[in-house]
Amino acid sequence: EDKVVQSPLSLVVHEGDTVTLNCSYEVTNFRSLLWYKQEKKAPTFLFMLTSSGIEKKSGRLSSILDKKELFSILNITATQTGDSAVYLCAPAAGGTSYGKLTFGQGTILTVHP
Amino acid sequence: EAGVTQSPTHLIKTRGQQATLRCSPISGHTSVYWYQQALGLGLQFLLWYDEGEERNRGNFPPRFSGRQFPNYSSELNVNALELEDSALYLCASSLYRGAGNTEAFFGQGTRLTVV
Repeated sequence: EDKVVQSPLSLVVHEGDTVTLNCSYEVTNFRSLLWYKQEKKAPTFLFMLTSSGIEKKSGRLSSILDKKELFSILNITATQTGDSAVYLCAPAAGGTSYGKLTFGQGTILTVHP
Repeated sequence: EAGVTQSPTHLIKTRGQQATLRCSPISGHTSVYWYQQALGLGLQFLLWYDEGEERNRGNFPPRFSGRQFPNYSSELNVNALELEDSALYLCASSLYRGAGNTEAFFGQGTRLTVV
């Protein structure tokens, strides 16, 4: 069965801090890994990673995938209170799991002013 | 450009009744996915529709079903509602077949409460 573990489960920081969120996975027929930010209801798409070692960046957020060690990290630099949310990672697989994203339990990030 | 839209926003049903949830994908997207997010739990994959066909389903009983219409909008039906079906139901859409080939974008969800 596919497995996704995110760590830490929760994190409390102050504005300006840098945070690193971890996602490890065991997925058969891995295709890619997606990161989402969920504030109230709709998860908002952040990144899709398919290749190892290639960093994707969007403003203060960046992410990288290691397909050999089966993990991904999401970095947020110079955090702001608006970054407070649940961050979800979701590997996508092929085979019988084709089309399905398996979500981790999420990391709850709280940024204090 | 409009995002994924879901209706209704909230739905209250009695145990044993049927619920129908609706989803309109982003224009041009052909794949629609349904996920359940129960309180305190992660997102669980329910169903994937593409080009009008059910392509994959998660580990849910057959009373969870749906369909995709020719305009790519989709409907999720939950029959014989149970209290444990109370959850946020999220719909997502993507441009190409299968999340993981391309990004999937989520709607705001329908909060279903079964009493």
